Amino acid sequence: AQSVTQLDSQVPVFEEAPVELRCNYSSSVSVYLFWYVQYPNQGLQLLLKYLSGSTLVKGINGFEAEFNKSQTSFHLRKPSVHISDTAEYFCAVSNRGGTYKYIFGTGTRLKVLA
Amino acid sequence: EPEVTQTPSHQVTQMGQEVILRCVPISNHLYFYWYRQILGQKVEFLVSFYNNEISEKSEIFDDQFSVERPDGSNFTLKIRSTKLEDSAMYFCASSKGGANVLTFGAGSRLTVL
Repeated sequence: AQSVTQLDSQVPVFEEAPVELRCNYSSSVSVYLFWYVQYPNQGLQLLLKYLSGSTLVKGINGFEAEFNKSQTSFHLRKPSVHISDTAEYFCAVSNRGGTYKYIFGTGTRLKVLA
Repeated sequence: EPEVTQTPSHQVTQMGQEVILRCVPISNHLYFYWYRQILGQKVEFLVSFYNNEISEKSEIFDDQFSVERPDGSNFTLKIRSTKLEDSAMYFCASSKGGANVLTFGAGSRLTVL
């Protein structure tokens, strides 16, 4: 079975400061990893994905994440946040096979302060 | 860019009533999914559907739930007799499978009174 842990339920940060949202996963098989963003009252939008290759992946809106297999982590980072980045961020893991279903973490609410 | 379309965007129903949530996945996708998000909580997997049958379902997906792909384009989730705890946002998603990502719809908010 797979699981995803997002230890931080809420992360407040000042505008233009850097931010890191943590994600750790557990799986007995190789996985794909994803970060999704959910703005208030909206659906899920893909930020970035790790499928294979380079462990540093870049996504939309200036976000990037690094896959660390030894630490089973996939932390999301942005060097300088904007007010508009205020949203819920979900990390997800998927099997490399089977039904390819995603298992989501509990989410981290990023609140960017002026 | 192709989208996954869900209807209705919001439905209010009385406890015990049947509800059908509809989804039009992306046309060349092969895998279809329903997820649920209770307000303020995480997104939970309900069911996956491939080759016209359920390929996997979660513990949440009990006998009250069913899915169907009636006409090759729509993908529906039926809740036979709704309960208060079924109130949630329901997301449909589709994928080509493999390393292809899931594309999610905007969601259908179900409120059970």
